[in-house]
Amino acid sequence: AQKVTQAQTEISVVEKEDVTLDCVYETRDTTYYLFWYKQPPSGELVFLIRRNSFDEQNEISGRYSWNFQKSTSSFNFTITASQVVDSAVYFCALRGSYNQGGKLIFGQGTELSVKP
Amino acid sequence: DAGITQSPRYKITETGRQVTLMCHQTWSHSYMFWYRQDLGHGLRLIYYSAAADITDKGEVPDGYVVSRSKTENFPLTLESATRSQTSVYFCASRGTGGVYEQYFGPGTRLTVT
Repeated sequence: AQKVTQAQTEISVVEKEDVTLDCVYETRDTTYYLFWYKQPPSGELVFLIRRNSFDEQNEISGRYSWNFQKSTSSFNFTITASQVVDSAVYFCALRGSYNQGGKLIFGQGTELSVKP
Repeated sequence: DAGITQSPRYKITETGRQVTLMCHQTWSHSYMFWYRQDLGHGLRLIYYSAAADITDKGEVPDGYVVSRSKTENFPLTLESATRSQTSVYFCASRGTGGVYEQYFGPGTRLTVT
């Protein structure tokens, strides 16, 4: 079975704090893909990053960074110096098997609130 | 503008009525998907399509029908709407050839009364 768990339902921080969103996944596939999406209050889903299972290099994009660790089946997302505009629901997702067109299996989401 | 659009953005309908949600993409992506988003369930796949005239069921297909006569369109029909189908519906698409991320439309908020 494939599963994504985001144990943090809600996180609240004050602007400029660093914050890490946790994502733990389960899969038996040897090749798989992990994703993070952002859903701001306006409701759309915005693609942030894709990580392939065979590439464990961490990635940094501006204030965003991602830590992929196969040993612990985790793909955590850190926002450095958070800003109010980072307030959103963040979803971690796993690309399933070739069945169902490579559907995305989503975690429940973590609602991040950044207060000024 | 290029991208993926959905219409209507908001819809209120009554139990038992037929409703069609539209999805249109301009990227010529082969794959298209319909998800529903509900509190406590995250996003769940309803139907997907690998190409025009090729569709298949996802996790929660009951009560829904899809068609795909053209690559760019992927309408979702609720044949006889029920209150349990009140949800936010997202359409998504992705390309092929090593492109795995899906790009989502803005969503349709459907309320069944």
